[in-house]
This record gives sequence, C-alpha cells and structure tokens, in this order.
Amino acid sequence: SAVISQKPSRDICQRGTSLTIQCQVDSQVTMMFWYRQQPGQSLTLIATANQGSEATYESGFVIDKFPISRPNLTFSTLTVSNMSPEDSSIYLCSVTGTGGSGVDTGELFFGEGSRLTVL
Amino acid sequence: DQQVKQNSPSLSVQEGRISILNCDYTNSMFDYFLWYKKYPAEGPTFLISISSIKDKNEDGRFTVFLNKSAKHLSLHIVPSQPGDSAVYFCAASGPGGGADGLTFGKGTHLIIQP
Repeated sequence: SAVISQKPSRDICQRGTSLTIQCQVDSQVTMMFWYRQQPGQSLTLIATANQGSEATYESGFVIDKFPISRPNLTFSTLTVSNMSPEDSSIYLCSVTGTGGSGVDTGELFFGEGSRLTVL
Repeated sequence: DQQVKQNSPSLSVQEGRISILNCDYTNSMFDYFLWYKKYPAEGPTFLISISSIKDKNEDGRFTVFLNKSAKHLSLHIVPSQPGDSAVYFCAASGPGGGADGLTFGKGTHLIIQP
C-alpha cells in the first residue's frame, strides 16, 4: 500500500481564515480523495481530486468552500476557506490501492488525517 | 438518512473471546463492503473486505460475513487481543470499490479488557 503523508497534522484556526492541507503520496496513484470526519460522525466524502482537471464534489460540498488542487499523480491540496466552528473536523486524504498489475484493488488507504479546530 | 449504520457505539469484550461487530445498510446498490480500524490520532487502516458475490471472507483472526437478504454484515475477531482496541468503521460502495467513493458508518469503539 502507498505511504500517505498529510500536513499539517493539526491546527487551530481563527474564524474567517483559510487553511490549506497538503497530501503527499510516495507513489503514483490513479485516484485521490478527500474525506471529512466531524466529531462523533462517520467519514464523509468531500470530493475526488482529479489530476489536471477540476475536482468532482459530492452533494453538499462546493469548490468555493473547499478548493482542491491535484497537479500530479502524487500530490493534492485541500483548502478549507472562510472557516467557521462547524468546519472543525478531521480531514483525510485517501488513495485507491493498486495491485501488482496496476489495477485498483478496491480498497482505500488513508493518511493520518489533519485535525482542524476553528475558534 | 444514513445508508450504513453501526448501531453499537461501543463494545466491550474480554481478551481471548470473540468480538462481533455489526453493520446494516439500506442501499441495495452497494456491492462491496469494507471494514476499517482506527486508532486515535491515526488515519483509518483497511482491515478486510467482501464482495456481494460472497457471503464470507476470512483473513487470519478476522472474518467478515455478509447477509445480502438482511442487508447485514458482521466482523468477527477471534481471539480478541488488547491491540484490537480501536474504533471500527464499516463502509460500503458500488462495484468499483473505493474508486466509487465509500459510504461509512459512524463506527463502533471496541474495548478489549484484560
């Protein structure tokens, strides 16, 4: 499985500011995703980060609030814009697993997450 | 409306005994099911998965059972060990697995008692 590194691992932010989370993978991966886990809730898919094109957002998430970049097959960023206390969550980068043949295995692998607290 | 439900927020099991974690789903289009384990301050770690064409998949101490007619799956851990104490998430997807996006339950906190 790929090694996924996220930065920052945690941060405390002021209301109205924006924060960019970075996700670096140690190998090229086909698909990268951003998930959110609000306190006491399940993990929720925010968007699929597409290499070289605009991200594909799930219902309830919009590009103005969560702009995403994916300049290559190993790196992506998620920005949480104009933050409010409701954005306090763990944000997780994930990638599809790849078997020896390069075919996606079906599983998702996750980074360690970025815990954001908005005051 | 939650499509994947884990109705037990927590479960306490004695070391050496069997742990059974349950998960129910409502979307009959789900085709692939996964279990993840999460320790505090770490990302979820993939444990085991099962396709809807099977009713059982086993990997060492971990076995997942799928009952499609009941829209129910369970994860059995036997024997339970102290290192199994973690939050376990059930997840489901279409036939493409994670590439389709996963729908997660809220998790069950498993506590293994010595």
